Amino acid sequence: DVKVTQSSRYLVKRTGEKVFLECVQDMDHENMFWYRQDPGLGLRLIYFSYDVKMKEKGDIPEGYSVSREKKERFSLILESASTNQTSMYLCASSLARPPYEQYFGPGTRLTVT
Amino acid sequence: SQQGEEDPQALSIQEGENATMNCSYKTSINNLQWYRQNSGRGLVHLILIRSNEREKHSGRLRVTLDTSKKSSSLLITASRAADTASYFCATNFGNEKLTFGTGTRLTIIP
Repeated sequence: DVKVTQSSRYLVKRTGEKVFLECVQDMDHENMFWYRQDPGLGLRLIYFSYDVKMKEKGDIPEGYSVSREKKERFSLILESASTNQTSMYLCASSLARPPYEQYFGPGTRLTVT
Repeated sequence: SQQGEEDPQALSIQEGENATMNCSYKTSINNLQWYRQNSGRGLVHLILIRSNEREKHSGRLRVTLDTSKKSSSLLITASRAADTASYFCATNFGNEKLTFGTGTRLTIIP
């Protein structure tokens, strides 16, 4: 079974702090994704990566950056956390061929105060 | 921007009844997928239907796809308390990305 793990289930940070969210998958998937989920807005794609050191902006990349130094690990970085980045963050991975079924981690609920 | 929109937003039924939720989308797709999310957790893939398929079954799940109406439905038969969750449709255009809807929150009343 594919396993996607995220470094924290709950995280509380202060405004202005630099925040790192880590995601690791163990199935040698090429594609990895970061989403945020907010009530009434569903899942919105922040960034994704289709290979090591490669990244593509999603629908809402502002205020975020990513890093993928190894195939199994994809990090989401909030350079200077703000209260409007309080959200549930979900990481996912998929193979690099159709049908692109995604496997999700358990999520990190981030609160910025 | 959201491609899929689920309907209804929330649904409550008695245990043992069937639950039906719908998804509409705007542009041509390669495949459509349904996911389940238990409260506060990650999403789990349930079933996938390709654009050239009209119906697909998996256990108590039945998915239909009508590409002429750009809509899909998910039927859960003989519902159980454990089916209480949010259900999302996700559309794929043949590239790596999925576009998710806003979800239907299903509550099964014991």
